[in-house]
Amino acid sequence: QQQVKQSPQSLIVQKGGISIINCAYENTAFDYFPWYQQFPGKGPALLIAIRPDVSEKKEGRFTISFNKSAKQFSLHIMDSQPGDSATYFCAASLLQGGSEKLVFGKGTKLTVNP
Amino acid sequence: NAGVTQTPKFRILKIGQSMTLQCTQDMNHNYMYWYRQDPGMGLKLIYYSVGAGITDKGEVPNGYNVSRSTTEDFPLRLELAAPSQTSVYFCASSWTVDTGELFFGEGSRLTVL
Repeated sequence: QQQVKQSPQSLIVQKGGISIINCAYENTAFDYFPWYQQFPGKGPALLIAIRPDVSEKKEGRFTISFNKSAKQFSLHIMDSQPGDSATYFCAASLLQGGSEKLVFGKGTKLTVNP
Repeated sequence: NAGVTQTPKFRILKIGQSMTLQCTQDMNHNYMYWYRQDPGMGLKLIYYSVGAGITDKGEVPNGYNVSRSTTEDFPLRLELAAPSQTSVYFCASSWTVDTGELFFGEGSRLTVL
């Protein structure tokens, strides 16, 4: 199974709150799990990423939590700001055919109200 | 550095017409990709290339063709456009494999009527 299931589809959070987006996967051959952030009219941009041998990675207000046994990972945005309003995609990377294949979740539209 | 540049940004096609979406990158990346993004569906890989002269199919290649004659350019050709090809198309490139870091262009919005 080369699917990545992402939830929720949309999320509304008040300024200063915590935003949590969850993803699950089936294929244990995935070896890298990035999160991408996309603003309207722009292409996705890498936000933060984690490898499966690490349970947590933090960069500023953004944290990835990774549960290898449950095949789940999540993005936490602490102290959410209106500027964080964007669509977030989780992804899983698979090295195949000499190239890296990214399988994306369907995205979560985050709105942070002031 | 301009990064990944896509043209055109917007295009309307009639059913059965053909066109080419242009993609160029100035980062000397070997790996290049074409994705399509449909509302609520994430990004689906159409074609990819591991270097000049080498291309391969992704998850949704039907109705598309690509070529890679240079490291910089990776055009996507749509033959006999269909309404199902209405989408936003993103070109991306990466320096290496196994990093998860793709650099995306700003997208080309295509409507087929």
